[in-house]
Amino acid sequence: AQSVTQPDIHITVSEGASLELRCNYSYGATPYLFWYVQSPGQGLQLLLKYFSGDTLVQGIKGFEAEFKRSQSSFNLRKPSVHWSDAAEYFCAVWGGATNKLIFGTGTLLAVQP
Amino acid sequence: DAMVIQNPRYQVTQFGKPVTLSCSQTLNHNVMYWYQQKSSQAPKLLFHYYDKDFNNEADTPDNFQSRRPNTSFCFLDIRSPGLGDAAMYLCATSRTGTGREKLFFGSGTQLSVL
Repeated sequence: AQSVTQPDIHITVSEGASLELRCNYSYGATPYLFWYVQSPGQGLQLLLKYFSGDTLVQGIKGFEAEFKRSQSSFNLRKPSVHWSDAAEYFCAVWGGATNKLIFGTGTLLAVQP
Repeated sequence: DAMVIQNPRYQVTQFGKPVTLSCSQTLNHNVMYWYQQKSSQAPKLLFHYYDKDFNNEADTPDNFQSRRPNTSFCFLDIRSPGLGDAAMYLCATSRTGTGREKLFFGSGTQLSVL
């Protein structure tokens, strides 16, 4: 069955530092992968997605993610974090035959001044 | 400019007292989803409508029902809320429901059960 694992429940970084959030997926075929962000009191907003082609995808707000099939990973990165990036980040995979989006448990990002 | 609107933002109900959460969309999307999100857990799909076609997840309790009277509106009915149903309920839409599309989410309704 398709699944998504986000190993880090909570991460704290300093403003201006680089960021990498980890995501591992389980899926038999080429996956459709997504990163969503949820700010406090808000719904989820799509940051970026991967379907095929270039394995490095660019998203909104300066985020990027790299698809690595050999590692079954789709890690999210940002070179320099801003205080406004503090939020919860969800990795998700489209479940193919199940026809639904399967989310990971999320990583809560805190940004120190 | 809000495209997926959920009301109310916060809902408090009593144990066993029926409650209805509402969702409306201005996107004219065919598909509407209801997710349940408990603290520190992944959003969990309860059911979705493809147009008028209702699709229930196998593990969604019978206590949860949904209605979609028209394209714009979708309701989540909890017939007899238990303490374990306290959660954030997220409504989302997509145009056709295929895997490549992004989902548009509302801000959610935080349900408390006393």
